[in-house]
Amino acid sequence: GEDVEQSLFLSVREGDSSVINCTYTDSSSTYLYWYKQEPGAGLQLLTYIFSNMDMKQDQRLTVLLNKKDKHLSLRIADTQTGDSAIYFCAETPYSSASKIIFGSGTRLSIRP
Amino acid sequence: DSGVTQTPKHLITATGQRVTLRCSPRSGDLSVYWYQQSLDQGLQFLIQYYNGEERAKGNILERFSAQQFPDLHSELNLSSLELGDSALYFCASSVGRAQNTGELFFGEGSRLTVL
Repeated sequence: GEDVEQSLFLSVREGDSSVINCTYTDSSSTYLYWYKQEPGAGLQLLTYIFSNMDMKQDQRLTVLLNKKDKHLSLRIADTQTGDSAIYFCAETPYSSASKIIFGSGTRLSIRP
Repeated sequence: DSGVTQTPKHLITATGQRVTLRCSPRSGDLSVYWYQQSLDQGLQFLIQYYNGEERAKGNILERFSAQQFPDLHSELNLSSLELGDSALYFCASSVGRAQNTGELFFGEGSRLTVL
């Protein structure tokens, strides 16, 4: 079956790094994504990684993929108050490329 | 602004009623997706249309139906509403049926409250 799991909450101090973790079940996933949902808004794609990659870095964001353990993580360096949001991990199952499966989202809150 | 427009933004209605949520995709996007976001269920995929045809179905109840019109806008119809249908309903669009990079463009959602 297809399932994506994330922890529901994460709290970090401003300026520290945030690491949001995700596990998925479909080993044939082709793309894995991180979406961000700010308060009162829809989801917006932050970054994605193709399944043949181990790491992708984009400014303050680093995505790590461990295919063996089916584990995906998003690291946000120098976390700012503007990073407060819900972060969704998502995958495209090879068996159903026309739909994307989302995790339940991790709510990131920033402490001063 | 994602380019995806959803109306209404907020809707309050009573149990047993029927409502219609409307979505206009980004210009040029052929695929429309509907998602339900509730506190206890997270983001649930409901249904996808591509160029007017249903392409994929998720956890959509029989009381719910959707369609995509020739001008590519889509409507989600929710009938015999129950308290548990209260949620945020998102529409998203993408260019094509096959997901290359998987980017979906989301509207701001329609918040439905059933009393």
